[in-house]
Amino acid sequence: QPVLTQPPSASASLGASVTLTCTLSSGYSNYKVDWYQQRPGKGPRFVMRVGTGGIVGSKGDGIPDRFSVLGSGLNRYLTIKNIQEEDESDYHCGADHGSGSNFVWVFGGGTKLTVL
Amino acid sequence: QVQLVESGGGLVKPGGSLRLSCAASGFTFSDYYMSWIRQAPGKGLEWVSYISSSSSYTNYADSVKGRFTISRDNAKNSLYLQMNSLRAEDTAVYYCASLSGDYYFDYWGQGTLVTVSS
Repeated sequence: QPVLTQPPSASASLGASVTLTCTLSSGYSNYKVDWYQQRPGKGPRFVMRVGTGGIVGSKGDGIPDRFSVLGSGLNRYLTIKNIQEEDESDYHCGADHGSGSNFVWVFGGGTKLTVL
Repeated sequence: QVQLVESGGGLVKPGGSLRLSCAASGFTFSDYYMSWIRQAPGKGLEWVSYISSSSSYTNYADSVKGRFTISRDNAKNSLYLQMNSLRAEDTAVYYCASLSGDYYFDYWGQGTLVTVSS
């Protein structure tokens, strides 16, 4: 199964842009990755899925247009433009692996985004 | 709107048992695969288990296999996690989540805290 790697922290100023990275382990370049936002003290919420061709499917409920994704090689990116205070969250990437009844899910360690 | 509300967490001694529940509303529960995911204090997310819509399929993370059992009652719109032989490393907030048809977690609850300590 793939291993997902995320930098532990990132920061950006109010109104600026930031790109968060999730890196798949070698051999899994065709995998799609799901991004989740987790505000302090809350449960996660689905942001969107990304493959090498960009977004796969639709964004999660209430996710603003300021959020976008790209994929390249083993990297899956989440970009947030015009950062707002409410974007300060932990961002997790995850992926499913398997088939039939043997599905498992893996997550990266999460990136804590601080809005300056 | 979709609501998932977990309950049943608490403090339990190592080797003890606990049963978590998740009450679902705002969608046709019986149509959806469901899952439990946990988050140890200050750590990332860890998938625990999933169950298919009719309970035909289940699977577990290696870390809980043989100790935890997932189940559901579609008549009661409820998901359960029976946790036995609990260890300190099972201490975490446990979230229930619905699985989309494309196998991502589209809705999550607010979580329930399980603390395993003597």
